[in-house]
Amino acid sequence: DTGVSQNPRHKITKRGQNVTFRCDPISEHNRLYWYRQTLGQGPEFLTYFQNEAQLEKSRLLSDRFSAERPKGSFSTLEIQRTEQGDSAMYLCASSLDRGYEQYFGPGTRLTVT
Amino acid sequence: GDSVTQMEGPVTLSEEAFLTINCTYTATGYPSLFWYVQYPGEGLQLLLKATKADDKGSNKGFEATYRKETTSFHLEKGSVQVSDSAVYFCALRDNQGGKLIFGQGTELSVKP
Repeated sequence: DTGVSQNPRHKITKRGQNVTFRCDPISEHNRLYWYRQTLGQGPEFLTYFQNEAQLEKSRLLSDRFSAERPKGSFSTLEIQRTEQGDSAMYLCASSLDRGYEQYFGPGTRLTVT
Repeated sequence: GDSVTQMEGPVTLSEEAFLTINCTYTATGYPSLFWYVQYPGEGLQLLLKATKADDKGSNKGFEATYRKETTSFHLEKGSVQVSDSAVYFCALRDNQGGKLIFGQGTELSVKP
């Protein structure tokens, strides 16, 4: 069991560009969560999947953000037309199911210039 | 909506000092409560948890007790070490979807 992995670890992009992040959860974990963490703050929930179904989206997730989890395995988070306010650490977590511990990946740090 | 409030940092202590980091929450019902730790350059790790009132979570010398009456989950350690220097996050788990709601984090720095 290699834990939750995220790629890339760092991404620098120019305002207006699109970016895509990938999260590979622990195998057999049904739930996958995305959070965003800005400097000096705690992580904030963005969205989560139960297998391939996206069951909840935060109001933070504007229409420029989209997430998928095809076949209930890895997940991608895409941000279109990035803005400087999107600069943050994007965290992925997975859990076996609803009441189980969430295991976090190392995060993808996005910098929008 | 549900929320978590932590004492602000940074907290600076000398080695072997007693640590308390306050955490209070607002929630519907009785959510599970957690402390996560983020060491420099590393990802979030679960430190301890409590799932119902009066439960005490403990790990690595840290303890926290789920206090329903005061809606609190304060983190304590009797004797901190330099290696405990990290950012500590209090969190609750939403009873519906299972998402975590975090406090803003408290940075702890332990000096030798």
